[in-house]
Amino acid sequence: EPEVTQTPSHQVTQMGQEVILRCVPISNHLYFYWYRQILGQKVEFLVSFYNNEISEKSEIFDDQFSVERPDGSNFTLKIRSTKLEDSAMYFCASSPQGVQPQHFGDGTRLSIL
Amino acid sequence: RKEVEQDPGPFNVPEGATVAFNCTYSNSASQSFFWYRQDCRKEPKLLMSVYSSGNEDGRFTAQLNRASQYISLLIRDSKLSDSATYLCVGVYNNNDMRFGAGTRLTVKP
Repeated sequence: EPEVTQTPSHQVTQMGQEVILRCVPISNHLYFYWYRQILGQKVEFLVSFYNNEISEKSEIFDDQFSVERPDGSNFTLKIRSTKLEDSAMYFCASSPQGVQPQHFGDGTRLSIL
Repeated sequence: RKEVEQDPGPFNVPEGATVAFNCTYSNSASQSFFWYRQDCRKEPKLLMSVYSSGNEDGRFTAQLNRASQYISLLIRDSKLSDSATYLCVGVYNNNDMRFGAGTRLTVKP
């Protein structure tokens, strides 16, 4: 069964540094998403991406965050200047259409020191 | 505010029991709903979609009540492997998926 893959599985970064989280969505999916889950808290929507542009973003997704689809397969989340509170599990997801269920990658654990 | 509310539990039930979770949503414009399951420190995995007509998948039954703005999940004949956190999800604006905080279920022998 095709799956969403994320790398790295764990990223440790110093506060203030930039970090890029990578995702390869399922190949025939058109919508891509990033979520985060702080330990012990709920899954929070960050951003959705369709047709090479952001289609929705939450209040969490501020100017520190950006997303990109640099080629036909990768979908990246960049955090420009990381803060301690950015420590969380980041999930990438994709779906064939917007209202269809999303398939999640197994996440990148981001630890900010 | 687009919110999905769930009873966090925990629900502790014996094997073989029937257990039901409810979830309420505040935005009537929500277009579709799903139940996801999340094991500890793992990604959410789709359990089933939720339709107004109700849908069943083996031991699992999901129901949507638009008039009262709630979604339910019924698990019959609980197995140990059903132990997980169950996430209620509503979709807004075509692709803004909002998760509830999850209901934790532990099935005991």
